[in-house]
Amino acid sequence: QITLKESGPTLVKPTETLTLTCDFSGFSLSTYGVGVGWIRQPPGKALEWLGFIFWDGEGRYSPSLKSRLAITRDTSENRVVLTMTDMDPVDTATYYCARRGGNSGFIDFWGQGTLVTVSS
Amino acid sequence: QSVLTQPPSVSGAPGQRVTISCTGSSSNIGAGYDLHWYQQIPGTAPKLLIYANNNRPSGVPDRFSASKSGTSASLAITGLQAEDEADYYCQSSDSSLPASVIFGGGTKLTVL
Repeated sequence: QITLKESGPTLVKPTETLTLTCDFSGFSLSTYGVGVGWIRQPPGKALEWLGFIFWDGEGRYSPSLKSRLAITRDTSENRVVLTMTDMDPVDTATYYCARRGGNSGFIDFWGQGTLVTVSS
Repeated sequence: QSVLTQPPSVSGAPGQRVTISCTGSSSNIGAGYDLHWYQQIPGTAPKLLIYANNNRPSGVPDRFSASKSGTSASLAITGLQAEDEADYYCQSSDSSLPASVIFGGGTKLTVL
């Protein structure tokens, strides 16, 4: 059974750095083609892809957010970490951890999501 | 503004057939990248509904189908049920950044 679960702060202040952790189980991030990453959704708005880290250690990031993002992995711990710098109120959103299942590019498993509010 | 364009809303009565369009460009759908669809019931995480253009994951009813042609794609739902009321998103990749993820803006389906 594949599961992903996000954890981290629910409230951050403007200009602070957000760190979210995704703990997953039921698969290995070392398996060819697999990626784990982050997608967010501001309240009432559409999904927005942030980035993935792949089985080979390579990362891919949204061009519009690339300068603020870092996604790292701990393969032995089945964990992926998102770091997002210089948080702003517009970054208030539900942040989902998700698995990219293969080379076709679809996302086959999602975490439940965690709401992060940016406010002073 | 999303790279993939979807209508903001569609509606239909129970039992009817509805379609949701997803329009891209020559650098994404038109470049041959696969198109995927997700269903999101309010307050929950998205769920994979269709992958690789027209394939249903296990457990998705065959009332859901999809197609892709040129720079656009569409999702069809037949025999509409109240439980189908949700937001639907299309997703693909783009040649400007291989292995990237691009989403449509989402379509709210209302079952009348």
